[in-house]
Amino acid sequence: KAGVTQTPRYLIKTRGQQVTLSCSPISGHRSVSWYQQTPGQGLQFLFEYFSETQRNKGNFPGRFSGRQFSNSRSEMNVSTLELGDSALYLCASSLHNEQFFGPGTRLTVL
Amino acid sequence: GESVGLHLPTLSVQEGDNSIINCAYSNSASDYFIWYKQESGKGPQFIIDIRSNMDKRQGQRVTVLLNKTVKHLSLQIAATQPGDSAVYFCADNTSGTYKYIFGTGTRLKVLA
Repeated sequence: KAGVTQTPRYLIKTRGQQVTLSCSPISGHRSVSWYQQTPGQGLQFLFEYFSETQRNKGNFPGRFSGRQFSNSRSEMNVSTLELGDSALYLCASSLHNEQFFGPGTRLTVL
Repeated sequence: GESVGLHLPTLSVQEGDNSIINCAYSNSASDYFIWYKQESGKGPQFIIDIRSNMDKRQGQRVTVLLNKTVKHLSLQIAATQPGDSAVYFCADNTSGTYKYIFGTGTRLKVLA
């Protein structure tokens, strides 16, 4: 069974731009969560989706948004990028409680 | 991935020795816990989990201990190998919240 996939793996953007990251969960998994990982803050929860509905959201500004499609694939969007948005963005999928992570998208904002 | 910063606790152990990695959590309502391993350039990898109705669970070479009284979790790795070198995170979840809270992580270095 294929694992969680994320695209792209690496991305370089400039301040003020926007970015869309994609996540395909493990087949059969309907819950998708997003996390931001930085050296200073560690792993921070962004949001969680299940059956196209956001069930929980972390403490991030409204520039961070996400959505989930009917096939459980998910995207997250960051608008008006800031230097501090540089991070590894991780997606995790779950069937019940266990969360399985993808390799992440490394976003660098210049 | 570069999952940790300069202030990450580090545990150095000799190859073949047992490792114990500790984690404290803050939410007394947390009822499910996971340990993850993260190697450089990769996402966190699921190692073992435990529910709050248990205080110990064993896997292959790994054991997780849960002490709900003091809100403490530990991961024991038996006969530590060079391939165990990584950053280890604990994460806790409360049923119905659909989110995990991650610890700051511990870097494990295995010395040959």
